[in-house]
Amino acid sequence: AQSVTQLGSHVSVSEGALVLLRCNYSSSVPPYLFWYVQYPNQGLQLLLKYTSAATLVKGINGFEAEFKKSETSFHLTKPSAHMSDAAEYFCAVSEGGYQKVTFGIGTKLQVIP
Amino acid sequence: GAGVSQSPSNKVTEKGKDVELRCDPISGHTALYWYRQSLGQGLEFLIYFQGNSAPDKSGLPSDRFSAERTGGSVSTLTIQRTQQEDSAVYLCASSLPSGAQETQYFGPGTRLLVL
Repeated sequence: AQSVTQLGSHVSVSEGALVLLRCNYSSSVPPYLFWYVQYPNQGLQLLLKYTSAATLVKGINGFEAEFKKSETSFHLTKPSAHMSDAAEYFCAVSEGGYQKVTFGIGTKLQVIP
Repeated sequence: GAGVSQSPSNKVTEKGKDVELRCDPISGHTALYWYRQSLGQGLEFLIYFQGNSAPDKSGLPSDRFSAERTGGSVSTLTIQRTQQEDSAVYLCASSLPSGAQETQYFGPGTRLLVL
């Protein structure tokens, strides 16, 4: 069965600092991995996805994530945080078939001026 | 183009009443998903539709929950005899059925509060 663990339900960074949101997954087959962002009172928006084409995936708004099979990780990073990055971020995994996706519990990112 | 829409955006109801939540997927998206987002619990998968069929209802929490989809488009999630623990944000998503890598597009959700 697939599962996702997001370490840290709340993360605070200073504006301009590195953003690192951690995600570890468990999957019995090569997984597809996703990061979604949710701004207040909005639905989820895809940031980026890993589909085995490249281990370093670049997404929108300057975010990127690296798939590390040996560590079963798919951490999300951004070199310099902006105030507009404050949101909740969800890591998700899918094993295939009809694409049943399992989401992590989310990490709320706070950006401090 | 238009995204996924959900209605109502907010719903307050009394315990024991029935509620219906509606989802309009992106035109042409044959796959449709319902999730529940509770405070501190992430997203919980409820049900998946491919066309009008629901091959996976495994996430429905109880028999008070049901969903249908007609015309391969609009879907309705019905909660009967609502309980306070049903209070949550109910999210709908749609996608093209291109396999596991297909992106799901989410609606803004319906915030349900059961008093």
